[in-house]
Amino acid sequence: EAGVVQSPRYKIIEKKQPVAFWCNPISGHNTLYWYRQNLGQGPELLIRYENEEAVDDSQLPKDRFSAERLKGVDSTLKIQPAELGDSAVYLCASSLEGRTYEQYFGPGTRLTVT
Amino acid sequence: AQSVTQPDIHITVSEGASLELRCNYSYGATPYLFWYVQSPGQGLQLLLKYFSGDTLVQGIKGFEAEFKRSQSSFNLRKPSVHWSDAAEYFCAVGAPDGNDMRFGAGTRLTVKP
Repeated sequence: EAGVVQSPRYKIIEKKQPVAFWCNPISGHNTLYWYRQNLGQGPELLIRYENEEAVDDSQLPKDRFSAERLKGVDSTLKIQPAELGDSAVYLCASSLEGRTYEQYFGPGTRLTVT
Repeated sequence: AQSVTQPDIHITVSEGASLELRCNYSYGATPYLFWYVQSPGQGLQLLLKYFSGDTLVQGIKGFEAEFKRSQSSFNLRKPSVHWSDAAEYFCAVGAPDGNDMRFGAGTRLTVKP
């Protein structure tokens, strides 16, 4: 069974540029999560989807961050414009509906903003 | 608000030695507790979880953790560490309704030959 797929794995951009990350969850997993992991810190939830509905986006900085999961399968997280402080690893995870405590994580996208 | 503290940023142990990683949590009710491991360049993998019942929980890769309500702790242990256990370990706490998972800052484990 394929795990959570994320791309790209690494991205380097200049500040003020846009960037997008893609995530494909494990097949059959209705719930999808985006986390940000700053250097030396644990992951922090940005947004959680149940199918195509964002059910928890309270920690998503909505002035520059957006996310979508149009068909309830794969998802895209976008930052526009990027700031230096956005440098981090962006992790995607998925789980079966109602199984929030059994999240499967992808390898993450390491973003560097210069 | 719930929070997790991992007091040790970095721990070094010799291969074959025992290991204990500390985790303290703050939560108003009975928490759901987790330990994850993250190898370099990899995502997080769930080692074990505690919801209720027996306070000593067994996980994968020979790890176990003990929930101590009186100490607000959920320490991770392994009797004999292998070189492949070198990684970053994260403790996490979650609410029973499935929301608001909070991770600690992590403990980096180095294993000496």
